[in-house]
Amino acid sequence: EAGVVQSPRYKIIEKKQPVAFWCNPISGHNTLYWYRQNLGQGPELLIRYENEEAVDDSQLPKDRFSAERLKGVDSTLKIQPAELGDSAVYLCASSSPRPTGISGNTIYFGEGSWLTVV
Amino acid sequence: KQEVTQIPAALSVPEGENLVLNCSFTDSAIYNLQWFRQDPGKGLTSLLLIQSSQREQTSGRLNASLDKSSGRSTLYIAASQPGDSATYLCAVNSQGGKLIFGQGTELSVKP
Repeated sequence: EAGVVQSPRYKIIEKKQPVAFWCNPISGHNTLYWYRQNLGQGPELLIRYENEEAVDDSQLPKDRFSAERLKGVDSTLKIQPAELGDSAVYLCASSSPRPTGISGNTIYFGEGSWLTVV
Repeated sequence: KQEVTQIPAALSVPEGENLVLNCSFTDSAIYNLQWFRQDPGKGLTSLLLIQSSQREQTSGRLNASLDKSSGRSTLYIAASQPGDSATYLCAVNSQGGKLIFGQGTELSVKP
């Protein structure tokens, strides 16, 4: 079974430029998350989707960040314009709302998109 | 507001030792707690998930316990190996899907 797929893996951009990250969750997972992880810190939630609906975007800096999940499958996260402080790893994750034995509600992460803003 | 703390921040042990990583959380009203492993330059790999009604979970050399009333969880690693070297993160699910992470414990197992 394919895991959570993210692209690009690495991105270096100049400040004020736009950047976009793409995520394909595990097949059948209705819930999709975008997290941001700064160096030496744990991940922090940016936005959570249930199907195509954003149910928690309270931590998303809406002045420059946007996200969408058209058709309730793939998702994109965009930053425009990027700032130096946006340098971080952007992690996508997914989970199934239906318990499946011991792995019920387990959240699975992709390998992340590493952003450097210079 | 839920806060998750992990102690120690870093740990170095010789190969073969048994070790314990600690995680504490401030709000005991949780759905579950999950332990993850993160290798340098990689994403997070789920190790163990403990539901709020459970006391512990085991997978191979790993054993995770949960004491909701005291707001604590431990990850026990038996007979540590150099391949266990990584950052270990605990995360609490207390708002129906929103994981709150600790800062992680960076483990180094020396041959």
